[in-house]
Amino acid sequence: AQKITQTQPGMFVQEKEAVTLDCTYDTSDPSYGLFWYKQPSSGEMIFLIYQGSYDQQNATEGRYSLNFQKARKSANLVISASQLGDSAMYFCAMREPNSNSGYALNFGKGTSLLVTP
Amino acid sequence: DAGITQSPRHKVTETGTPVTLRCHQTENHRYMYWYRQDPGHGLRLIHYSYGVKDTDKGEVSDGYSVSRSKTEDFLLTLESATSSQTSVYFCAIRDFTEAFFGQGTRLTVV
Repeated sequence: AQKITQTQPGMFVQEKEAVTLDCTYDTSDPSYGLFWYKQPSSGEMIFLIYQGSYDQQNATEGRYSLNFQKARKSANLVISASQLGDSAMYFCAMREPNSNSGYALNFGKGTSLLVTP
Repeated sequence: DAGITQSPRHKVTETGTPVTLRCHQTENHRYMYWYRQDPGHGLRLIHYSYGVKDTDKGEVSDGYSVSRSKTEDFLLTLESATSSQTSVYFCAIRDFTEAFFGQGTRLTVV
């Protein structure tokens, strides 16, 4: 399986500040997709943002943006103007580029974000 | 909300008993997946399906089987539950740029 690395087990950020959650990936295939999910304490997996490997621009969705640096194989999630409700676990994932696993998503181990008042 | 539901949401079962978890989608997606989530491991793929009666193994398939007799339903079966299968199980559906998950099933094997 392709590898996803999230090096920050836990992060703190103050309310209204921006925060960057790191994600690096490893693949030799030119075609892939990168996803970010939020998992609050209630347990559901909430899709946040997608970046395709051929997309020319960094993806944005509201307060979420993806800092995609293809040469460095990094896909960091930036959350602007943090809110208390952003406190959650965040997972980076990559869609497998081939059919051997049904183009499944391969996940990192996650980063726990705590937003403080 | 994506139309994907899991049942049951919680289950406690005894070691050695069979258990079946159900995933139901209303989106007509071809691909469906079962993952398990354990502390320190993120989500790991158990099995996936690429169509009716078409299934294959994922990274952690030992002890699990699946079936897909209809597009909308993907069943995960633990033939003989073990304590190591205590976990949170997620079903997912995917198109090219989005992947949606069910609410999860918390399974405890005692």
